Amino acid sequence: DARVTQTPRHKVTEMGQEVTMRCQPILGHNTVFWYRQTMMQGLELLAYFRNRAPLDDSGMPKDRFSAEMPDATLATLKIQPSEPRDSAVYFCASGLPWDTQYFGPGTRLTVL
Amino acid sequence: AQTVTQSQPEMSVQEAETVTLSCTYDTSESNYYLFWYKQPPSRQMILVIRQEAYKQQNATENRFSVNFQKAAKSFSLKISDSQLGDTAMYFCAFINNNNDMRFGAGTRLTVKP
Repeated sequence: DARVTQTPRHKVTEMGQEVTMRCQPILGHNTVFWYRQTMMQGLELLAYFRNRAPLDDSGMPKDRFSAEMPDATLATLKIQPSEPRDSAVYFCASGLPWDTQYFGPGTRLTVL
Repeated sequence: AQTVTQSQPEMSVQEAETVTLSCTYDTSESNYYLFWYKQPPSRQMILVIRQEAYKQQNATENRFSVNFQKAAKSFSLKISDSQLGDTAMYFCAFINNNNDMRFGAGTRLTVKP
């Protein structure tokens, strides 16, 4: 039963600290998406990759967020430095181009 | 720009009854996909059903079916024989061939016993 995995599932950190979230897409999927979900803003697309290349990261605050895919089995989302307003659930999703996206369980981030 | 609108923030239905969730979208493209995702309290996003815009036949998945009206840009979800486990947030979503994916704000559905 293939699924997207994300680590950590929960993260509590203090303002100013670096946070790294990891995602393992489903084997064979060549598109990877990062979303942020908050009560106020709902689901926001932060970035997406195709064949490991970033295609769109316009939804991401550039000064503190960065997303990479060092290889086809790993996507990372990094926040440095973190701020309380970054508290949210971060989802990774993978799929094939122009097809269903399958979501991971999310990382719940709390920045104090 | 593509937008997805879910005009019902909350809905409730009695167990075993039928409920319809509304979704409208705005796009200038002719080819795209539409989805309904379910997010239960566990927060896992689960695909419920999908519809290709070039297909006229409405998609169905067991108790879930859609009413896709392309000219009206409407994509509603009907849940028949509602079950307690259907209680969740439901998101309508749109994706075009540039992989530009948009989600609606969601509808919180409560199934009452």
